[in-house]
Amino acid sequence: AQSVTQPDIHITVSEGASLELRCNYSYGATPYLFWYVQSPGQGLQLLLKYFSGDTLVQGIKGFEAEFKRSQSSFNLRKPSVHWSDAAEYFCAVVSGNTPLVFGKGTRLSVIA
Amino acid sequence: DSGVTQTPKHLITATGQRVTLRCSPRSGDLSVYWYQQSLDQGLQFLIQYYNGEERAKGNILERFSAQQFPDLHSELNLSSLELGDSALYFCASSPMRGGLSGNTIYFGEGSWLTVV
Repeated sequence: AQSVTQPDIHITVSEGASLELRCNYSYGATPYLFWYVQSPGQGLQLLLKYFSGDTLVQGIKGFEAEFKRSQSSFNLRKPSVHWSDAAEYFCAVVSGNTPLVFGKGTRLSVIA
Repeated sequence: DSGVTQTPKHLITATGQRVTLRCSPRSGDLSVYWYQQSLDQGLQFLIQYYNGEERAKGNILERFSAQQFPDLHSELNLSSLELGDSALYFCASSPMRGGLSGNTIYFGEGSWLTVV
């Protein structure tokens, strides 16, 4: 069955530290991959997306993600986290004509 | 601002009642999607419309229905409401039908529904 897994429910990092949020998917066809962020009480904002081409994609707010087909992963990274990055992060996948499927999300807390 | 507009932003209603949530997609987008976000279920796809026709159906209850009008706005109707229907309902839109290259899906800010 098609699925998206975000193994980490909650991550806490110090401000200025690097960040990596994990995402693994299970799809038969070529997937299109997304990361969204949801701040408390807010909607979903698109951070970045991967459709094809360069497997390292840049997004907004200094985020990047790398698509690794061999590992079925699309991990989100940021070299230096800011307190304003505290939010819930969702990995999402679409393949063929299937609707966008989300992982359960990873809540990021940032400490001083 | 994603360009997707949802109303109302917040809604409190009693069990057994019926509500309608409204969504205006981004200008030019033909597809509209509805998602439900709850603490226990996460983000669940409910239904998709493309240019007025139902395109895909997910975990949508029979008590719920949706439609997309000729001007491409969409409404999600929730009836015989139960406490468990309390959730954040998102509308999203995209230019095309499904998972085609370049078909980015943009979300509105959601409608918070509380059933008491």
